This record gives sequence, structure tokens and C-alpha cells, in this order.
Amino acid sequence: SQTIHQWPATLVQPVGSPLSLECTVEGTSNPNLYWYRQAAGRGLQLLFYSVGIGQISSEVPQNLSASRPQDRQFILSSKKLLLSDSGFYLCAWAGTANEAFFGQGTRLTVV
Amino acid sequence: AQSVTQPDIHITVSEGASLELRCNYSYGATPYLFWYVQSPGQGLQLLLKYFSGDTLVQGIKGFEAEFKRSQSSFNLRKPSVHWSDAAEYFCAVGNMRFGAGTRLTVKP
Repeated sequence: SQTIHQWPATLVQPVGSPLSLECTVEGTSNPNLYWYRQAAGRGLQLLFYSVGIGQISSEVPQNLSASRPQDRQFILSSKKLLLSDSGFYLCAWAGTANEAFFGQGTRLTVV
Repeated sequence: AQSVTQPDIHITVSEGASLELRCNYSYGATPYLFWYVQSPGQGLQLLLKYFSGDTLVQGIKGFEAEFKRSQSSFNLRKPSVHWSDAAEYFCAVGNMRFGAGTRLTVKP
């Protein structure tokens, strides 16, 4: 069966520091992958999605970037974190009918 | 573009009472529709999905949802709420976009 892993689970980073969040999927090939951010008390904002290696689509301009170096790996990055980057980050892959399967999330606090 | 709206930010119900969470969609054709649940600090879990056919779909944890084309709605229901149902609920369409969520509080 398919599983999705996200790490780390929690992260506290100073303003101006870099960020790298990793997401990997097992049990499926060539998945469509997604990064979402969930601010406190808010809904899910789609940040990036990828339909294949090296293919990244950005939904909103921001301080973050994404990369897909391997078929089942999706990375969310930033060169310099801002306070406003704090939030709960979720990775997901899409099933055949675009049902979403989520990782457990990363709680990022920028201090 | 496909989108969903969840008009209720927060709902409180008593344990054992019935529940209905509202979701309205915007799309010309029949969309794929989903409901997810999120426990605090966790990822989202799929409760149920609608693609076509029978407009009443059954999901996990005793939830069901009814697709009503005339009202552009896909409301989530449960006949009797349990304290463990307290969570955030999200409606979504097939383009991986989600509603703003409805937080459910269950009173003892």
C-alpha cells in the first residue's frame, strides 16, 4: 500500500535561516505531489504541485520554493525564513481520482 | 475554476446529537467531491468521496454525504455525534483545492 512520509515533525528556526522540508512517497510511481500550508485557524493553502521529476508549479508567489529531484521525493525550501513562514506544512499525493493522501505534517515556528 | 465554500467556521453540537456540515461547490460539470477530517496536529484523512452515481455516499466513522446538483451542495452528515468526532473538517474538489474548514466542537 502507499505511504507518505514527512519530516521533521516539528521545527523551530530563526528568522533568516534556510529551510528544507522533505516528503517521500512509497508504493506508487509517478505520483502528483503537493505542498500545502495551514496557518493557525486557517484553511489549506496550496503552495506548489508537481506532476513529475523537475516539474514544479507555484500557486502563489512567496518566500518558498519546491523541488522534485526524484520521482517520489518532494522538497520544500527557503533561503531565508520570515516570521510569516510559520505554520503547519502538509505534503500530499493525489490518487487516481484526485483524492488526497496526506503526510503527518511539519509544524514550523520561525522565531 | 472549481472551488468549494464552507460557510460555517465553527459548529458546536452536543454528544449524541445529529450533525450536518455544509459545503457548496462551484463548477459547471459534476465535480469530484471529497470530505476530509483533521485531528489536531495531524494530517488530513479522507472520510468519503463522490464521483458519480448514487448521490448519497457512505464514508468511514459513520459519516455520509449527499450530493445535490440543484443546490450545488455536498453536505456531510452524521446521525449521532461522538466526542471523538471533535476535529476540523474540510470539503474539497477534484483539483486538490480545499474549503476553509469547519471546526467541530462536541459538548458532553
